[in-house]
Amino acid sequence: NAGVTQTPKFRILKIGQSMTLQCAQDMNHNYMYWYRQDPGMGLKLIYYSVGAGITDKGEVPNGYNVSRSTTEDFPLRLELAAPSQTSVYFCASRSGSYYGYTFGSGTRLTVV
Amino acid sequence: KNEVEQSPQNLTAQEGEFITINCSYSVGISALHWLQQHPGGGIVSLFMLSSGKKKHGRLIATINIQEKHSSLHITASHPRDSAVYICAVEDYGGSQGNLIFGKGTKLSVKP
Repeated sequence: NAGVTQTPKFRILKIGQSMTLQCAQDMNHNYMYWYRQDPGMGLKLIYYSVGAGITDKGEVPNGYNVSRSTTEDFPLRLELAAPSQTSVYFCASRSGSYYGYTFGSGTRLTVV
Repeated sequence: KNEVEQSPQNLTAQEGEFITINCSYSVGISALHWLQQHPGGGIVSLFMLSSGKKKHGRLIATINIQEKHSSLHITASHPRDSAVYICAVEDYGGSQGNLIFGKGTKLSVKP
C-alpha cells in the first residue's frame, strides 16, 4: 500500500498565483485532514473531512478551499497565494475516531 | 499559554542512554498521540493513548489523565532515533480530528 500520497513535494509560487495540492490515500480511510507546519510552531489544522461530500473548516482555513468528491482524494486549493502561505503542508488520514493517523510526506511551498 | 507543552525543547544524548520526553496539556482530552518527524520531514505516528501505557520495541508511552501528563521513553537510544518528537492531543470538546500539537522536542543521539 502507498498510504497517503502528496504531490508535489516542492513548489515555488508567485504572489497571486493559484495552485492545488494533491492528496490521495488508498487505505479506504473516511477521515482526511490538511495541516500546515510553520517553523518553530506546532501543526495547525486547515480543513478536514469525515467522508466523501463532507468538509469542514479547521483552525486556519482563510485563503484555502477543499473538496472531497471521493473517499480517496482530498485536494487543497490555494487561491491568490500570499507570502503568509509559505509553509510545509501535510495531508493525513485515519479510519475514524480513536484510530491513529497516517501522514503524507509533505509539500514544501514557498510564495515569493 | 500553549495548550500542549513539551519538555525539553532540545535534547542531546549519547548512544545507549535512556531518554524521557514530557508532554503536559491543559484541556480535557479523548486521546493523546506521539508522533515522530524525521530529519527529512516525514511524520510517523508512534502511539495513540487514552489511558495507561503502551510499548513498541524500545519505545514506551505513558499517560496520567488526572495529572494531564504524558511521557515518551526511549530505551537504549540509537543515532537513528534522532528526530523531532511531537505530542498532540484530541480535545474532548473540539471539532472532529482537531489535534492540538506541541512544538516538538528535537532529539539528537550521538554515537
